Amino acid sequence: SAVISQKPSRDICQRGTSLTIQCQVDSQVTMMFWYRQQPGQSLTLIATANQGSEATYESGFVIDKFPISRPNLTFSTLTVSNMSPEDSSIYLCSVGRGTGNTIYFGEGSWLTVV
Amino acid sequence: AQSVTQLDSQVPVFEEAPVELRCNYSSSVSVYLFWYVQYPNQGLQLLLKYLSGSTLVESINGFEAEFNKSQTSFHLRKPSVHISDTAEYFCAVRGKAAGNKLTFGGGTRVLVKP
Repeated sequence: SAVISQKPSRDICQRGTSLTIQCQVDSQVTMMFWYRQQPGQSLTLIATANQGSEATYESGFVIDKFPISRPNLTFSTLTVSNMSPEDSSIYLCSVGRGTGNTIYFGEGSWLTVV
Repeated sequence: AQSVTQLDSQVPVFEEAPVELRCNYSSSVSVYLFWYVQYPNQGLQLLLKYLSGSTLVESINGFEAEFNKSQTSFHLRKPSVHISDTAEYFCAVRGKAAGNKLTFGGGTRVLVKP
């Protein structure tokens, strides 16, 4: 498995502001993934963060809105920029590890925009 | 491309009764299959996975799932549920080739009643 720590665990933010979520993994991983879970919904992949290169974004997500950093093999950040109430979601960091590159998730960052 | 369908959005069940959560997938390539559980106000935890070998896989807390290739299904079962099994359950699939992404179903909310 994997130990994945996210900060903050919860936050209430004002619309128009930005928030950076941090993700720390217990050991080195090649790929880290950021997901969004809107209220009552399933998970949607935002982007894949690779160390040493730009993140790869999924359709519907853009770098200006969700800039990602990956400075080393155990850490990544996701910024939610210029927030609106529609950005209220759980943001989850995940990594692939082990047989089949099984995906493990952090506890999530629960974001409410008011 | 791949997709996952969880046929039931909610499943109410009485304590000590059996439960089955249905999951069907479509994919043009060979896949790995996963079930994740999300307890109230928590992140996602891996419940069990099928990578290869025996088509019947089990978790440590009494759940099992069977991979049926001909029916492209990976249904989750538990013969006797507890109140603590109240959670949302997500089926997910990922192509075996490197770089393939994890695709989630819409989730099934299980409410165990006393």
